Amino acid sequence: DQQVKQNSPSLSVQEGRISILNCDYTNSMFDYFLWYKKYPAEGPTFLISISSIKDKNEDGRFTVFLNKSAKHLSLHIVPSQPGDSAVYFCAASERQGAQKLVFGQGTRLTINP
Amino acid sequence: DAGITQSPRHKVTETGTPVTLRCHQTENHRYMYWYRQDPGHGLRLIHYSYGVKDTDKGEVSDGYSVSRSKTEDFLLTLESATSSQTSVYFCAISSTSGGDTQYFGPGTRLTVL
Repeated sequence: DQQVKQNSPSLSVQEGRISILNCDYTNSMFDYFLWYKKYPAEGPTFLISISSIKDKNEDGRFTVFLNKSAKHLSLHIVPSQPGDSAVYFCAASERQGAQKLVFGQGTRLTINP
Repeated sequence: DAGITQSPRHKVTETGTPVTLRCHQTENHRYMYWYRQDPGHGLRLIHYSYGVKDTDKGEVSDGYSVSRSKTEDFLLTLESATSSQTSVYFCAISSTSGGDTQYFGPGTRLTVL
């Protein structure tokens, strides 16, 4: 039973345009969400997070949107750059500090010049 | 970058042999985790530790054991490796002040023949 789902295994976007990565979850107890970025042969790197009390969090080119009623979150990257090419994982936990993250399967983002 | 190292970085072993992977941190963080990453599954939690000698099971703990005798080291042991344990293993750490933001090591690629 996949509690966190990233239904797009891959996404290709032109440099300078917006990249939108999506994530759905089924567990209504999740209230803290994170995005990680992973390059080949490296560990995942924390990108941005959002608590369920918010519906948007922004950090530079990266914005995460949370729609609790739809159990859906998305990561927007604008403008997209070649260095953004990586695998992106969304993750969720039941409460901040619970320390048990549940990850999605990942989406491979490719930025084309 | 968080001070997390994993050893070995690569290992090939045979079915039935014991294997121990080591995670070492220099951040003095309380929480440490072991995940495995497999295609189509994202990252899945194997075991985690919330203090010296305090550990608990994650989602996919069967066939694995862990030990934490000091704050900086968290060991993952496969008592009798099987081919299904061929994977990339990641260690992660977090502090109570960091909430659920976990920081990952570089990973260990394990192949069980």
